[in-house]
Amino acid sequence: GAGVSQSPSNKVTEKGKDVELRCDPISGHTALYWYRQSLGQGLEFLIYFQGNSAPDKSGLPSDRFSAERTGGSVSTLTIQRTQQEDSAVYLCASSLAIAGGTDTQYFGPGTRLTVL
Amino acid sequence: SQQGEEDPQALSIQEGENATMNCSYKTSINNLQWYRQNSGRGLVHLILIRSNEREKHSGRLRVTLDTSKKSSSLLITASRAADTASYFCATDAGGTSYGKLTFGQGTILTVHP
Repeated sequence: GAGVSQSPSNKVTEKGKDVELRCDPISGHTALYWYRQSLGQGLEFLIYFQGNSAPDKSGLPSDRFSAERTGGSVSTLTIQRTQQEDSAVYLCASSLAIAGGTDTQYFGPGTRLTVL
Repeated sequence: SQQGEEDPQALSIQEGENATMNCSYKTSINNLQWYRQNSGRGLVHLILIRSNEREKHSGRLRVTLDTSKKSSSLLITASRAADTASYFCATDAGGTSYGKLTFGQGTILTVHP
């Protein structure tokens, strides 16, 4: 079946503009995760959704970052007033989220964001 | 912040040789996972080992976990040029942090044909 997909694959924007990044998880996966990978910080957790709710937003770096998930499926990560330090690859993952158990996360190909 | 550290940071070997990568972490975990990444894009899940397991195999991969030392190792046997990639360990602390993976800095593996 189809894996996790993300769009766009690449995004170049100007400092101060808003951007939206989209993630389509694997069908039937209830958990969805956003991570960010940058040269200076490595791979960082941003936010986690269980269904449409986000029990853990602890990784969002500032209030310019927000995310939502609708219908328990597609998720959008929005970055407002982008800064150059937001340049990174944004990775999305999904999992079955087996209650009380261990769980494999499947990653999408990522969106490479470049803020000029 | 990064949970773990991996060593070596880079490893260069010849095809057919074995490659061993190590990962250390700081807090208690529910499970530890290894991922591969090609060309800085999507991560491919390789293997998951639970905190109550000590060793796991998958094809040419062997993972060990020592919770007393808070360390894990990934062994790739009979390496191939196609194994060239970055390898990351990731820990899942479970509990309220369930599913939130904390990644190491990664090991860049180069396998020369």
